[in-house]
Amino acid sequence: DVKVTQSSRYLVKRTGEKVFLECVQDMDHENMFWYRQDPGLGLRLIYFSYDVKMKEKGDIPEGYSVSREKKERFSLILESASTNQTSMYLCASRGNSLRNFGPGTRLTVT
Amino acid sequence: AQSVTQPDIHITVSEGASLELRCNYSYGATPYLFWYVQSPGQGLQLLLKYFSGDTLVQGIKGFEAEFKRSQSSFNLRKPSVHWSDAAEYFCAVEGPPTGGFKTIFGAGTRLFVKA
Repeated sequence: DVKVTQSSRYLVKRTGEKVFLECVQDMDHENMFWYRQDPGLGLRLIYFSYDVKMKEKGDIPEGYSVSREKKERFSLILESASTNQTSMYLCASRGNSLRNFGPGTRLTVT
Repeated sequence: AQSVTQPDIHITVSEGASLELRCNYSYGATPYLFWYVQSPGQGLQLLLKYFSGDTLVQGIKGFEAEFKRSQSSFNLRKPSVHWSDAAEYFCAVEGPPTGGFKTIFGAGTRLFVKA
């Protein structure tokens, strides 16, 4: 089974802090994704990457950046966290047209 | 514009009763279709998928879904719900391989199961 792991399940940060969310997959998938999930809005794509050092903006990239230095690792960066970035963040990798999701990181920005 | 609609924000069913969760999509071509389940505090788990062929697809945990092209629907069903099925369910669509990165998710339907 594909395993997608995220570095933290719960995270509390202060406004203005730089925040790193890490995601690692073990199936050599080329495609990786970061979503945020908010009640009533489903999952919204922040960024995705289709190869090492390659990235594309999703639907809501503002306030976020990403890094993909190694195939298995895809990092989401909040340069200066704000309270409206309090959310659940889900990472996924994609192989054979199937997405595999990590357990999520619930980020609270105070 | 491409979209996925799950008309029901939440549904409550009795344990042992049948279940149908609705999903309608708007897409230029026949997309790939998915249903995911998310238990509290967990990531999303794939229940089933439709790529082509037989329009009735079987998934895990006793779920099935039927693709109806004429209605642009992909409703999820289960004949007898168990208390452990209480979770949030997401329908999703994805374009053909050329547009496969842009999966669109519905807003979700939360299922409550009463004893």
